[in-house]
Amino acid sequence: DTGVSQDPRHKITKRGQNVTFRCDPISEHNRLYWYRQTLGQGPEFLTYFQNEAQLEKSRLLSDRFSAERPKGSFSTLEIQRTEQGDSAMYLCASSRYSGLAGTYNEQFFGPGTRLTVL
Amino acid sequence: SQQGEEDPQALSIQEGENATMNCSYKTSINNLQWYRQNSGRGLVHLILIRSNEREKHSGRLRVTLDTSKKSSSLLITASRAADTASYFCATADTGTASKLTFGTGTRLQVTL
Repeated sequence: DTGVSQDPRHKITKRGQNVTFRCDPISEHNRLYWYRQTLGQGPEFLTYFQNEAQLEKSRLLSDRFSAERPKGSFSTLEIQRTEQGDSAMYLCASSRYSGLAGTYNEQFFGPGTRLTVL
Repeated sequence: SQQGEEDPQALSIQEGENATMNCSYKTSINNLQWYRQNSGRGLVHLILIRSNEREKHSGRLRVTLDTSKKSSSLLITASRAADTASYFCATADTGTASKLTFGTGTRLQVTL
């Protein structure tokens, strides 16, 4: 078990450019989450997948953001036409959900991708 | 949006002392989790307490949950310099207990 990995760890881009981040979850985990964290705040939920299905999206996820998990394994988060307000740490997490009553959802986080938009 | 607030926002103690952090939340929950985050890094899961539990222990950590007051506390006993970090509570809503909603965090500084 190598934990959740994210790539890249840091990304600096100019306003208006597109960026894509990758997340590799823990191998047996069927749920994958994306969160965004700005300085001095707690993480805020963006979206999550169960296998390849995207089950929920936050209102924070504007139409410039898109996330995919094509084969139910790794996921990508793309931001188009980046704005300075997109500068943040983007965190990925994964968990195992059995669907059984009483299942409790412990999420394991990756190291994050820090995005700076100039 | 953040679920609630943590209190205090910052806490400075000496090594060996106990640290207590409080968390309040707003909605009905499935469970509440505590995470630690070292500066600029990812979150490390510390402990999960279910909505039908009132207290839980893990090593030097003790968590309590009062669903009637919608509050939780995290106690770290015999603190160490390595405990210096930000601590966040996060709640999982009822139903499928999917997304986590985080508090604003408590920044703990443990000095020698």
